[in-house]
Amino acid sequence: DTAVSQTPKYLVTQMGNDKSIKCEQNLGHDTMYWYKQDSKKFLKIMFSYNNKELIINETVPNRFSPKSPDKAHLNLHINSLELGDSAVYFCASSQEYFVSGGQGVTSGDTEAFFGQGTRLTVV
Amino acid sequence: SQQGEEDPQALSIQEGENATMNCSYKTSINNLQWYRQNSGRGLVHLILIRSNEREKHSGRLRVTLDTSKKSSSLLITASRAADTASYFCATVFFGNEKLTFGTGTRLTIIP
Repeated sequence: DTAVSQTPKYLVTQMGNDKSIKCEQNLGHDTMYWYKQDSKKFLKIMFSYNNKELIINETVPNRFSPKSPDKAHLNLHINSLELGDSAVYFCASSQEYFVSGGQGVTSGDTEAFFGQGTRLTVV
Repeated sequence: SQQGEEDPQALSIQEGENATMNCSYKTSINNLQWYRQNSGRGLVHLILIRSNEREKHSGRLRVTLDTSKKSSSLLITASRAADTASYFCATVFFGNEKLTFGTGTRLTIIP
């Protein structure tokens, strides 16, 4: 019973192509994320959705477009793939998003559950 | 950058020894978490420590947090070959709605 599943696990494609990575979580979580892990193992957040609403959009080229049809799914579509897009992309989910400050409401005592990753190779 | 930094970048020890990894960060945190990543796999949450806590245990894991030094350490006691993995600290900063990961420590346990 996989908690966070992403497909495909491996993706090899040519420059200029458009591809999608799918992610689904069966944990009933409200928040989902996309992270990119480069060759040096550095993990960087790309997007975060809470209840289908975009919460975090880091400085990511607009060739990357996340889509959340419902709170259990967060797909990542990439247009015009470039060599530098080669990396491992991880989907993750958490029970709530990491809210801090604001109007005295704090959260963040929640762990993130990760998918197995999608290794994207652009040739 | 708010990214944490782990130290050392790589660590090799004999099975049965204790392994200690350190994490430093730059701004005030809500909590700090440690994750493990086995080769070719996703990250697995190990332990969470809140900013008002100083030490936490889970099985063979012991995490400490020193907010005055903005640092945390992860101790794995009686290491096993299966502990071979990369270990990441991750922080939730005040005023920032994201879990930010450190650079990771690659731990190798030699049988």
